[in-house]
Amino acid sequence: SQKIEQNSEALNIQEGKTATLTCNYTNYSPAYLQWYRQDPGRGPVFLLLIRENEKEKRKERLKVTFDTTLKQSLFHITASQPADSATYLCALDMDSSYKLIFGSGTRLLVRP
Amino acid sequence: EADIYQTPRYLVIGTGKKITLECSQTMGHDKMYWYQQDPGMELHLIHYSYGVNSTEKGDLSSESTVSRIRTEHFPLTLESARPSHTSQYLCATGTGLGYTFGSGTRLTVV
Repeated sequence: SQKIEQNSEALNIQEGKTATLTCNYTNYSPAYLQWYRQDPGRGPVFLLLIRENEKEKRKERLKVTFDTTLKQSLFHITASQPADSATYLCALDMDSSYKLIFGSGTRLLVRP
Repeated sequence: EADIYQTPRYLVIGTGKKITLECSQTMGHDKMYWYQQDPGMELHLIHYSYGVNSTEKGDLSSESTVSRIRTEHFPLTLESARPSHTSQYLCATGTGLGYTFGSGTRLTVV
């Protein structure tokens, strides 16, 4: 079955550094991949979508890459700030059925 | 101003009670979803709808039921709540190019 893997260990970085989070998936070839931010006790907030024919997508301090050969997406936050501390989720529509499957997320902690 | 609303935000209820979690959206989207999430765990799809009178079960088996009589409204019902139903329930809507989630309902069954 399709599986999405994100690093379960929290990523702890210093303010101003670049945070890099990884999302790996198996089996299927999704048409696009999405990244969300989730704060404790809240619903996820959509950040970026990248399509299979796009290698890279940027939005302000955020950058996402999508390698369909490696079946991997990297999510970067440059010039990180304490306010960026949250859990970041990647999500895939495995079979183009408009049903998103989410990874378990990686918690990012940015130290002042 | 939120485009998708969930009520109540928190609910503590006794075993055996019937409950309905409300979800409404003002975005006019056909597709709506219910996810269940335990603390620190991943979201699991339990129900979805592609339009009025369309409802399907998701990947995670759930004893809850849903209805979609109006485009903007997608309530979730538990006929007899049990402690195992304690969790956070998140409603979402979207076009496939990004979901908008509600703030969630944190349900505790005692």
